[in-house]
Amino acid sequence: AQSVTQPDIHITVSEGASLELRCNYSYGATPYLFWYVQSPGQGLQLLLKYFSGDTLVQGIKGFEAEFKRSQSSFNLRKPSVHWSDAAEYFCAVGAGGFKTIFGAGTRLFVKA
Amino acid sequence: DAGVTQSPTHLIKTRGQHVTLRCSPISGHKSVSWYQQVLGQGPQFIFQYYEKEERGRGNFPDRFSARQFPNYSSELNVNALLLGDSALYLCASSQAKETGELFFGEGSRLTVL
Repeated sequence: AQSVTQPDIHITVSEGASLELRCNYSYGATPYLFWYVQSPGQGLQLLLKYFSGDTLVQGIKGFEAEFKRSQSSFNLRKPSVHWSDAAEYFCAVGAGGFKTIFGAGTRLFVKA
Repeated sequence: DAGVTQSPTHLIKTRGQHVTLRCSPISGHKSVSWYQQVLGQGPQFIFQYYEKEERGRGNFPDRFSARQFPNYSSELNVNALLLGDSALYLCASSQAKETGELFFGEGSRLTVL
């Protein structure tokens, strides 16, 4: 069965520090992978996506993610975190042609 | 251009009642999907509609139903509400029939008392 695991429920980083959010997926075929961000009281916004090709994907707001097939991972990274990055981050996999499966999310706290 | 709009933004119902949630997709998007997001969890897939036809349904009881209209707007209906139906209901639209980038509305927050 398709699934997405985000091992970290919450992470705290200092402003200006680097960030890595972990994501592992389970999917039989070549996956479509996504990272979405959700700020309080708002809907989800796409940060980046991987469909095929270069395994290092660049997204908005300075985020990037790397697809590693051998590890079934799609970790999100940012070299320098800003206070405005505090939010909930969801990794997701496109499955079955019509649905997207989301992980439980990782809440990011940024300390000054 | 307007994004995905949902109404109402908040509503409170009691157990056993019925609720209808509405969604207008981005202009030109023919696909609408519905997701349920319980507090502290990721969104769970409920339905996808494309060109007014249901293309997929998640693991939700028959109390949940939806439809898509000729203008591609959509309604999600939930009958016989249970306390466990309390959640944020998200609508997402996309251009593609198949899995792709989803554009989300801000959701309808349903509280069942």
